[in-house]
Amino acid sequence: DTEVTQTPKHLVMGMTNKKSLKCEQHMGHRAMYWYKQKAKKPPELMFVYSYEKLSINESVPSRFSPECPNSSLLNLHLHALQPEDSALYLCASSQDASGSYNEQFFGPGTRLTVL
Amino acid sequence: GIQVEQSPPDLILQEGANSTLRCNFSDSVNNLQWFHQNPWGQLINLFYIPSGTKQNGRLSATTVATERYSLLYISSSQTTDSGVYFCAVEGGGADGLTFGKGTHLIIQP
Repeated sequence: DTEVTQTPKHLVMGMTNKKSLKCEQHMGHRAMYWYKQKAKKPPELMFVYSYEKLSINESVPSRFSPECPNSSLLNLHLHALQPEDSALYLCASSQDASGSYNEQFFGPGTRLTVL
Repeated sequence: GIQVEQSPPDLILQEGANSTLRCNFSDSVNNLQWFHQNPWGQLINLFYIPSGTKQNGRLSATTVATERYSLLYISSSQTTDSGVYFCAVEGGGADGLTFGKGTHLIIQP
């Protein structure tokens, strides 16, 4: 099974709301990722978790707060977002954080609209 | 960071035609993937190909790591092949993927 699931599929929130995006994989992968994709642009890396520890934060504003409660789950907590944060948020996972086989598998994404 | 360039940016073909998409990258990589993004945003894995040649049905891919490029071949195109094709690379272990800007492919019936 090469499935990564994400919830919710769609989210509309105001600038003062707090919400969370969830990602789950049951492939035994030890690296998980958040990407952001604006319309008609390629995905851009936000965060990398390796063995449940944050290993890369690509200078993302603090209004985005990642969390990895265990090796199968990845959350992205959202607070005080701006309309320009509206985008498709994609989660991915790969088998081994440091090995030579790092094929990434993506979830279907959460389409976020900030009003 | 690694730079990734894809060409052409747009490609319009008739059903049944063949096409070649190119991906150039600026540094050595240990991961190179080709994806097809469907209209709903799902990234579908086509190939994991940091080097060598692979084939899957009407699709094949070749990566020449020493010359820092990869090619995706689509033969006998179908309208369902339409969409955006991304090349993405990773330099080290779990560094995350850097995506090219994509090739927008339209297959007309």
